Order: sequence, then structure tokens, then C-alpha cells
Amino acid sequence: DIQMTQSPSSVSASVGDRVTITCRASQGISSWLAWYQQKPGKAPKLLIYAASSLESGVPSRFSGSGSGTDFTLTINDLQAEDFATYYCQQANIFPLTFGGGTKVDI
Amino acid sequence: QLQLQESGPGLVKPSETLSLTCTVSGGSISSSSYYWGWIRQPPGKGLEWVGSIYYNGNTYYSPSLKSRVTISLDTSKNQSSLKVNSVTAADTAVYYCARLWKTTTTFDYWGQGTLVTVSS
Repeated sequence: DIQMTQSPSSVSASVGDRVTITCRASQGISSWLAWYQQKPGKAPKLLIYAASSLESGVPSRFSGSGSGTDFTLTINDLQAEDFATYYCQQANIFPLTFGGGTKVDI
Repeated sequence: QLQLQESGPGLVKPSETLSLTCTVSGGSISSSSYYWGWIRQPPGKGLEWVGSIYYNGNTYYSPSLKSRVTISLDTSKNQSSLKVNSVTAADTAVYYCARLWKTTTTFDYWGQGTLVTVSS
């Protein structure tokens, strides 16, 4: 199985900040990586697919980059509604695996 | 607009079988463009993929759950079903059904989730 390691596990930030979250795969997954946002009591929401493609309706302040084993989710100009937990997911091969999550709080 | 809704008992006794149904509306479960998946999340913890099924019945399961899990489709009812046998407290979680986009293998639509507690 491909292991996904996210860092940091939590980050404190303020409105207007830039936040960067990293995700590392235990083996190369090309660009087959997705990012999700989850707010308390809600289902996850797809933000980014194929490492850098923005899902329809997702604000452009969210961006993804990377390939192979190292990936990054960047949130520019952090807004109040962005405080949430973010997960990466490798989409290269079954079994699908998620990172442990990164909580972005104030 | 595609909608997914999980349903099933919220409380299951240890050693019994957990059974959930996902009803899909606004789209066909028989589309060759998608898989249908189940993901779970223990309270306060991260996401765990349980398994997925393709419209032709091909199934893919988490290795850690494979011996206890069955996922099936009922195309006449536009539903997916999940069964987990011999449950323990460790199976207590919010269970989500989700559509898995075949092209990118990402979950683009999710149900709201349903909490299943394993307790006597």
C-alpha cells in the first residue's frame, strides 16, 4: 500500500495569511493526488484533483502542485471559511489511501 | 444535482453485521464513468477508504478490511450497499458513501455521512 504523510498536522494562521500544507507519498504516484477540505460535522469536499487541477466552484486562492512523491496545497489570502481540516489522497492505485490530515485553525 | 444519502442502523452490537445503503439521486449508478465508494472516519480521527465498486460489479477493498467487507450495487434501486461482518468497537465511525470519478480516481460527490456505533 502507498502511505501518505501530511505535514504539519496542525497550523495556526490568521485571515490574510498564506498557508502551505505538504503531502508525501511512500512511492511515486505521478500526478495522481487529490486534496479535500473538511469542516466539523460535514463531509469532505474535493478541492484539487490530479495534483493541480482546481475543482469547479473552488476559489482560486487554493492551488496545488507537485508530482512523484512530494505535493503541496497552498491557500493564499486565507479567509475565515478556510479554517478546516485538509486531507490528501493518492489516486494512483487501489487501495486508495489518505493522509492523516492537517488542521488549519486560528 | 447528484445527491447521495446513507441509511441504516446507528447502533450495532459487537460481533454482528453492519449494513448500510447509499441511495443515489440525480444520476445513474450504472454509469461507466464512475466507481461508488465507502469511506469511514472514526470519531476525532482521519479518513479511511473502505472499498469501491464499479458499475460492472468489480470490487476493490481495503486490505485491512477485505475479509469482513462486502460492497454491492442494486441498479434497479440506484443504490450501493456496504456490509461489515463481525464488528467491534473499532468499527465505530461516520460512514460516508461517495462517487469516485474514474478518470482521476477522486471522490467528487459525498453523502452527508451516518454515524454507526458498535456497542452492546
